[in-house]
Amino acid sequence: EIVLTQSPGTLSLSPGERATLSCRASQSVSSSYLAWYQQKPGQAPRLLIYGASSRATGIPDRFSGSGSGTDFTLTISRLEPEDFAVYYCQQYGSSPSDTFGQGTKLEIK
Amino acid sequence: QVQLVQSGAEVKKPGASVKVSCKASGYTFTSYDINWVRQATGQGLEWMGWMNPNSGNTGYAQKFQGRVTMTRNTSISTAYMELSSLRSEDTAVYYCARGAYYSNWGQGTLVTVSS
Repeated sequence: EIVLTQSPGTLSLSPGERATLSCRASQSVSSSYLAWYQQKPGQAPRLLIYGASSRATGIPDRFSGSGSGTDFTLTISRLEPEDFAVYYCQQYGSSPSDTFGQGTKLEIK
Repeated sequence: QVQLVQSGAEVKKPGASVKVSCKASGYTFTSYDINWVRQATGQGLEWMGWMNPNSGNTGYAQKFQGRVTMTRNTSISTAYMELSSLRSEDTAVYYCARGAYYSNWGQGTLVTVSS
């Protein structure tokens, strides 16, 4: 099973700043089957990025994903107030199971 | 528009079973896998397994093998997740999600296990 480790655990930034979130896999993620989700309190997660770098429908272009192999990054270019939430990375399509990272909480500084 | 609507909250005693439903609309039900994910209060997301609604094929996380069963009724575009031998640690919100990468999610079903 592929283990995903996200860093940092908590990121404190101000609106307008740039956020960089990291996701490291214990082994190579095949075909860049890596996704990012945003979750706000009391809500279901929302897909942001799939295939490591493709934005999901309706996701603003301030969100971007990059990386391959074992190292992946989610970047939010200029933080808006609604971007403060918890972010999860996920690898999918790899037998025997999909897995999630433990999450990064993005909080207002 | 694509929607996944889950059944309501459940309260169960330890040792019992729970069956959560996930009704799909706005797309061809048999064309996308359904995944199940759970989240305990204040914790992260935990993948439980997947089901192919067309074939009925399933794959379960090792942790839940022998306790979880995922099924479907294609005539009503509904997927089900049944978890047996419940214990307090199974108290969580359970989500269904569509596709290889989870483009759409249900609203979640709170399952509380308490004596």
